[in-house]
Amino acid sequence: EAAVTQSPRNKVAVTGGKVTLSCNQTNNHNNMYWYRQDTGHGLRLIHYSYGAGSTEKGDIPDGYKASRPSQENFSLILELATPSQTSVYFCASGDARGALAEQFFGPGTRLTVL
Amino acid sequence: QQKVQQSPESLIVPEGGMASLNCTSSDRNVDYFWWYRQHSGKSPKMLMSIFSNGEKEEGRFTVHLNKASLHTSLHIRDSQPSDSALYLCAGDTNTGKLTFGDGTVLTVKP
Repeated sequence: EAAVTQSPRNKVAVTGGKVTLSCNQTNNHNNMYWYRQDTGHGLRLIHYSYGAGSTEKGDIPDGYKASRPSQENFSLILELATPSQTSVYFCASGDARGALAEQFFGPGTRLTVL
Repeated sequence: QQKVQQSPESLIVPEGGMASLNCTSSDRNVDYFWWYRQHSGKSPKMLMSIFSNGEKEEGRFTVHLNKASLHTSLHIRDSQPSDSALYLCAGDTNTGKLTFGDGTVLTVKP
């Protein structure tokens, strides 16, 4: 089964601070994704990547940057964290499109910005 | 921007009962629908996918799709307490990106 890991699993940050969330996948998937999930809601796409060196804006990219230095690693960066960015962040990986586009999710990172 | 609407927001069914969840996309370019299940405190896991008109059955789970109305539904028969979870529907326009709805919280009462 697909293996996606995230670090840290929990993070408390201060307003205005810089936060980096990391994601690693061992399945050699081309596509990787960052979502946030607020209490009782679905997943909203922040940034995604089709391969090493590429990043694309998702539906809610404001206040976030992404970096894909290798096939395995995808980072989400909050340069100036704000309390509105308190959420649970999920990384996912997948390959291909269409009928083969199943995404495999990491365990999530709970971020609290005070 | 594609929008995916799910209903109901929450649903309570007795153990052994039938649960029916609905999902509609506003984007006519959607070619695929995915259903994910997320237990409390866990990450989402793919449950079923469908991209052809009609019905697909896997064990106690059945998915229907009407492509003309961009409506899909998930039916769980003989519901078990372990089925209690957030059920997320996602539309896929064949770009590798999924747009998720807000989900339906299913509670199965013993």
